[in-house]
Amino acid sequence: KQEVTQIPAALSVPEGENLVLNCSFTDSAIYNLQWFRQDPGKGLTSLLLIQSSQREQTSGRLNASLDKSSGRSTLYIAASQPGDSATYLCAVQRNAGNMLTFGGGTRLMVKP
Amino acid sequence: GAVVSQHPSWVICKSGTSVKIECRSLDFQATTMFWYRQFPKQSLMLMATSNEGSKATYEQGVEKDKFLINHASLTLSTLTVTSAHPEDSSFYICSGGSGDTQYFGPGTRLTVL
Repeated sequence: KQEVTQIPAALSVPEGENLVLNCSFTDSAIYNLQWFRQDPGKGLTSLLLIQSSQREQTSGRLNASLDKSSGRSTLYIAASQPGDSATYLCAVQRNAGNMLTFGGGTRLMVKP
Repeated sequence: GAVVSQHPSWVICKSGTSVKIECRSLDFQATTMFWYRQFPKQSLMLMATSNEGSKATYEQGVEKDKFLINHASLTLSTLTVTSAHPEDSSFYICSGGSGDTQYFGPGTRLTVL
């Protein structure tokens, strides 16, 4: 059974710092991996999706990498801002059209 | 991207009552939809897979008679929480697939008094 772990569970940083969020998964047979943002009491916002054949994806200040063989992904946030404060979730999908298995999330607080 | 809606966005009900949550794919058809549950400060956990025209598949530990799922059309799946109790209070999120991507609804917050 796939298990997804995110480290750290919580992170507090001053504004402007570059930071890395980590995600690991136990079964490397994935179709894709996705990073989401969730604000308190809200739904999910998809940030980046990496197909299993890809190594990384970038969107603005966000960069996500994928090392499928080692079961790891990282989300890099450059020049963090208070508006980045949220919970970040990674999730893996085994096959197209299948359910997603989520990690426990990293709660990020960026202080002004 | 494709859009998935949920209704209601939040609901408060008395213990013992039933609550129906709708999940609609607005601009695509989904033969399969997924229902997740998220307790406070926890991640999303899959509850069940909703299959159009057939019975839903439930994850271990999820009571099928308590959480009734109906997927009568390619754009609508409903989750009914029967005889709700305070421990059912949670954030319920659905998703539907279009191509390679799963699209998530905005979620429904259920509070059972």
